[in-house]
Amino acid sequence: EDQVTQSPEALRLQEGESSSLNCSYTVSGLRGLFWYRQDPGKGPEFLFTLYSAGEEKEKERLKATLTKKESFLHITAPKPEDSATYLCAVLSGGSYIPTFGRGTSLIVHP
Amino acid sequence: EAQVTQNPRYLITVTGKKLTVTCSQNMNHEYMSWYRQDPGLGLRQIYYSMNVEVTDKGDVPEGYKVSRKEKRNFPLILESPSPNQTSLYFCASSLRVADTQYFGPGTRLTVL
Repeated sequence: EDQVTQSPEALRLQEGESSSLNCSYTVSGLRGLFWYRQDPGKGPEFLFTLYSAGEEKEKERLKATLTKKESFLHITAPKPEDSATYLCAVLSGGSYIPTFGRGTSLIVHP
Repeated sequence: EAQVTQNPRYLITVTGKKLTVTCSQNMNHEYMSWYRQDPGLGLRQIYYSMNVEVTDKGDVPEGYKVSRKEKRNFPLILESPSPNQTSLYFCASSLRVADTQYFGPGTRLTVL
């Protein structure tokens, strides 16, 4: 059974204070790892898709990295508008059902 | 504009009264799915569809039905809703199962 664990559950940062969110996973053959951002009451919004260990992707202040056991979402010099819940999901080989983690709730204080 | 739409956005109903939540995408995606999101449990998939007339159960299918008669539409049907189906529901679509999923805005359902 695929498992995804995100940590920390909640994170409070000061504006400009860089940090990382962790997504640890257990799958039988990774087909893809997905990062989403979700604002309260809204649908998840796609950030990154990673397919193989060593892969990295960047978008503005966010950078996602992937190893064989975990993925990190690095946030550099965050701003209050980066406050949201960040979700990680994995899809394993032979499966058609992504497994989502419970998310990390990020609050960035001005 | 590429998007996934859901209707209604909010719905309050009573136990046993059949309801349908519609979902439509305009991106010609093959894969569509329904999720429910509950506090502390995260997103759980209810049903998915690989293409027209091809549907299968997700992790929590009990009490739900779906159909995929057209590529763009994937309605979720609750034939006899119960209070434990009170939740926030999301429809999603992607070109293929391993591609990025695009989510709809959500439907908040309350069953009294």
